[in-house]
Order: sequence, then C-alpha cells, then structure tokens
Amino acid sequence: DIQMTQSPSSLSASVGDRVTITCRASQGISNYLAWYQQKPGKVPKLLIYAASTLQSGVPSRFSGSGSGTDFTLTISSLQPEDVATYYCQKPPKTFGQGTKVEIK
Amino acid sequence: EVQLVESGGGLVKPGRSLRLSCTASGFTFGDYAMSWFRQAPGKGLEWVGFIRSKAYGGTTEYAASVKGRFTISRDDSKSIAYLQMNSLKTEDTAVYYCTTGSGYSTPHWGQGTLVTVSS
Repeated sequence: DIQMTQSPSSLSASVGDRVTITCRASQGISNYLAWYQQKPGKVPKLLIYAASTLQSGVPSRFSGSGSGTDFTLTISSLQPEDVATYYCQKPPKTFGQGTKVEIK
Repeated sequence: EVQLVESGGGLVKPGRSLRLSCTASGFTFGDYAMSWFRQAPGKGLEWVGFIRSKAYGGTTEYAASVKGRFTISRDDSKSIAYLQMNSLKTEDTAVYYCTTGSGYSTPHWGQGTLVTVSS
C-alpha cells in the first residue's frame, strides 16, 4: 500500500507569512493528490485536487504543486481563519498524518 | 446539493457489533463508490474501506485494521450505504465518516457519527 508522509507535523507562523507543507508518497502517484483542511470539531474540507487544482470557493492564497512522489501545499499569506490541521491524501484511500498550523 | 447523513453510532461493549448507515441525497447514488473513514479522538484520518458502484462490480476493499471484521454494503434503491462492524475493539473508538468522490478527491463528507467501544 502507498504511504503518505507529511512534514512538518506542526508549525507556528505569523499572520501574513508564507506557509509551506510537504507531502511525500512512498511511490509515484502522478498527480493523484488532494489536500484538505480540518478545523477543530469540523468535517474535512477539500482544498485542492489533482495536485494543483483549486476546489471551487477556496481562497486563492491556497495553492498546490508537485507530481510523482513530492507535493507541496502553500498558503501565500497566512490568515487567522487558516488555523487548522491540513492533510494530504492519495485518493480514494490514504491520508498523511496531518500538519497542525497555528498562529504565532 | 450532495448530502450524506450517518446514523447508528453509540456506545458498545468490546466484542459486540454495530451497524452504521449513510443516507445519501443530491446525486445519483448508484453511480458512485462510497467510502468510510474514521478519526479516533485527537488523531488523524484513517481510511476504513469502500464499495464500488454496481457498474464496477460493487466490490469492496478494506483497511488491514478492519478486514475480516467490518463489511460495507449498499442499497442503491434506498441510496444508503452500510458499515457493519463486528468484533469491535476499544481501538475502533472514533468518529466514522461516510464519503463519496472520485479517483481525484473526496469532496463530500457526512457530519460523522461517534462510535465508542468501552466496557
């Protein structure tokens, strides 16, 4: 089975900072990679699919890149409402372990 | 609008069984695979299993942690997916989510139902 490894497991950044989260697949997965945001007590929300396609309604400060085994989620300017845990997924199964984003 | 509503969660003793239901609306249920995920308290998201649409044989796949104990089924006439959980363990305690999507993403999630396995 394909394993997904995210880094870092947590980060703290200031409002307005550029934030980058990485996700590595244990084998090549082309662009079959999605990113989700989960706020405490809430259901996961799809942000990006096919590695770089922004889901409708998601702010443009979120972007994704990568192909094969290495992928990146970038928040160009961190906002207070972005405090959440972010997960990558090789659809339709495996999630990474999550990255908790906090405001410094 | 796609809606997925889970039901059937609750407190159950170790070794017992529980069946979760996922009632779907807003899309042609029979055309889509249905998946179950879970999230233990304070932990990440874990895939449980899925059932393909009848067009793809209606076959199922399961995570190693639940294989042989959990069974996913579907009733396309009622737009309901089921998760039958047998021989429950304390480590099965989690919020269980019903989802649907595609090979590129899982955009649709239910609100989740809490299953607590404890004596």
